[in-house]
Amino acid sequence: GAGVSQSPRYKVAKRGQDVALRCDPISGHVSLFWYQQALGQGPEFLTYFQNEAQLDKSGLPSDRFFAERPEGSVSTLKIQRTQQEDSAVYLCASSPDAASSYEQYFGPGTRLTVT
Amino acid sequence: DQQVKQNSPSLSVQEGRISILNCDYTNSMFDYFLWYKKYPAEGPTFLISISSIKDKNEDGRFTVFLNKSAKHLSLHIVPSQPGDSAVYFCATANTGNQFYFGTGTSLTVIP
Repeated sequence: GAGVSQSPRYKVAKRGQDVALRCDPISGHVSLFWYQQALGQGPEFLTYFQNEAQLDKSGLPSDRFFAERPEGSVSTLKIQRTQQEDSAVYLCASSPDAASSYEQYFGPGTRLTVT
Repeated sequence: DQQVKQNSPSLSVQEGRISILNCDYTNSMFDYFLWYKKYPAEGPTFLISISSIKDKNEDGRFTVFLNKSAKHLSLHIVPSQPGDSAVYFCATANTGNQFYFGTGTSLTVIP
């Protein structure tokens, strides 16, 4: 079956531009997570949704970062006025339900490069 | 401050031998521990997990050990195969659904 997909796979943005990164979770998965992975580091938690509710956004690094999941399926991570330090791979993960969200299924990521 | 540490960035093992990957964590309140495997240009894939009430979990060639007093987690792969060559991340979680990942260990299994 289809796994988690993310688009675009690669994005180059000029400093100051806004970007939108899309995540299509596995159909029916309740929980959705966004992570930021800098080069040579592990994924760092950004935010968590349970259906359409954003239950935790404590990992978002600044108010330039915004995530939504309006219908409880597809999610978009938006970064406004991108900065060079935003360059990273952005990973999305989903899990079947809140109780078993320990086992996450990751997408391939979007590599964002800010020039 | 890093909640999860993988102090070995890389590890090389001969095919057929045991691979041992290590992970240390700081917060004794974590209640679930996981290992993920990652190939280049792909997202991490779940490998094996263990809850804080256990000290060992085995799945085929993969065994995870948890030493709560030492706040230490390890993954044993035996026998190691060339297809196991990848980056391995340990991760911890609490009931708040916040996950913390280590920086990864790149395993190379030499044929």
